[in-house]
Parts: sequence; C-alpha cells; structure tokens
Amino acid sequence: GQNIDQPTEMTATEGAIVQINCTYQTSGFNGLFWYQQHAGEAPTFLSYNVLDGLEEKGRFSSFLSRSKGYSYLLLKELQMKDSASYLCAVRDRGSQGNLIFGKGTKLSVKP
Amino acid sequence: DAGITQSPRHKVTETGTPVTLRCHQTENHRYMYWYRQDPGHGLRLIHYSYGVKDTDKGEVSDGYSVSRSKTEDFLLTLESATSSQTSVYFCATTSSGTGAYNEQFFGPGTRLTVL
Repeated sequence: GQNIDQPTEMTATEGAIVQINCTYQTSGFNGLFWYQQHAGEAPTFLSYNVLDGLEEKGRFSSFLSRSKGYSYLLLKELQMKDSASYLCAVRDRGSQGNLIFGKGTKLSVKP
Repeated sequence: DAGITQSPRHKVTETGTPVTLRCHQTENHRYMYWYRQDPGHGLRLIHYSYGVKDTDKGEVSDGYSVSRSKTEDFLLTLESATSSQTSVYFCATTSSGTGAYNEQFFGPGTRLTVL
C-alpha cells in the first residue's frame, strides 16, 4: 500500500532550526517533493529530491534516503512567516507520475 | 508562477444539486489534476488528465466526473452534491507527469460547502 507519514504539528522558536521528517512506503518512487502551504492558501513548491543526499536552497534544505524511505526538510533561521503547513509528497513511478501527499505538518513559529 | 485560476472561489450549494468547478491555465501544461483537501486527510487526488480528452480516476473519484475539451480548461463536476463533498478543492498542473523535476503548480482553491 501507499503510506506517507509526517508529524501532525511542531512548534519552534524564531531564529532556531527545525527538522520536519517524512517517511514513506510506496509501490514506486520517482522523486520526493516538499511544499509549503500557508493557512487559506495554495501549496507552493519548496524542494525536490530524487537521488540520495542533501539539496540546499537558501534557508531550506531537504534530505533523502531512498533505502530508508526517509526524507526531512530543514528550516534554518526560522522567521515568523515560516509558520505554515509543510507537505511531503512522493511521485509514483507509474500512474502518470501522480503525487501522493502526506497529511502535512503544521509548524508554528513562536517569538 | 503558473497562471492557474479557479472558479468559483467560494460556493454554497444544497444537497442533491449538481456543481461544476472550473480550472483554467495559461501555461499550456499537459497534465492537470483535481485534489480535495480536508482536515486530517491532506491532499487527495480526485481525477487527473494527461491530455485533451484523456482523463483517469484518482484515489477518491466516487461522485465526481471530469472533462477536458481544451488544453487550458479542466472541469470537475459533482453530479449530485452531498455533505461529504464539503471541502477545499485545488486544481494543479504540470508540464510533464514523469519527467525529472516537474513540480505541480496549484491554483488558489475553491471552498465548497454543501448544506
């Protein structure tokens, strides 16, 4: 079956570092995406990993281990505007490459 | 950002009535998707299209139908709306379904309430 797990909620302090984990079990794998979604808005693309290792993009980094079915999103120098939900999604190898989304992690950044 | 619009943005309707949601894109993307998002469930795929007149079912397709007569438009129809279809509906597009590094771009969403 298809399953993607993320923590439901996390809280962190402004200026700190937070790591949001995602584990997945899918029938196929053709890449993992992270999206950010502010309340009442559409998801927006943050990062993509298809090979093992770390992808860095400014304050955000994403890591992938395909053998472990594991990814994390690392947010550095947290800002209040980073308060949002973070969605992990795996692209299936079949089914026209559709995305399977986790339920999302709601991050609250406190002053 | 991809030019994706959804209409209407908000709708309240009654149980048993048909409802059609429209997604319009100006990016000439081949693939289009309809998702619903509910608390505790995340984004779930309803239907998708991989070309004009080419559509297929997603995870939660019961009670929904779609049509795509033009590249830019993807319609989602609730044949007879039920309260369980109260949700936020997102349309998404991408240029290639399986090509490397093709993220999906999302429209602003439609909030549908079925009374």
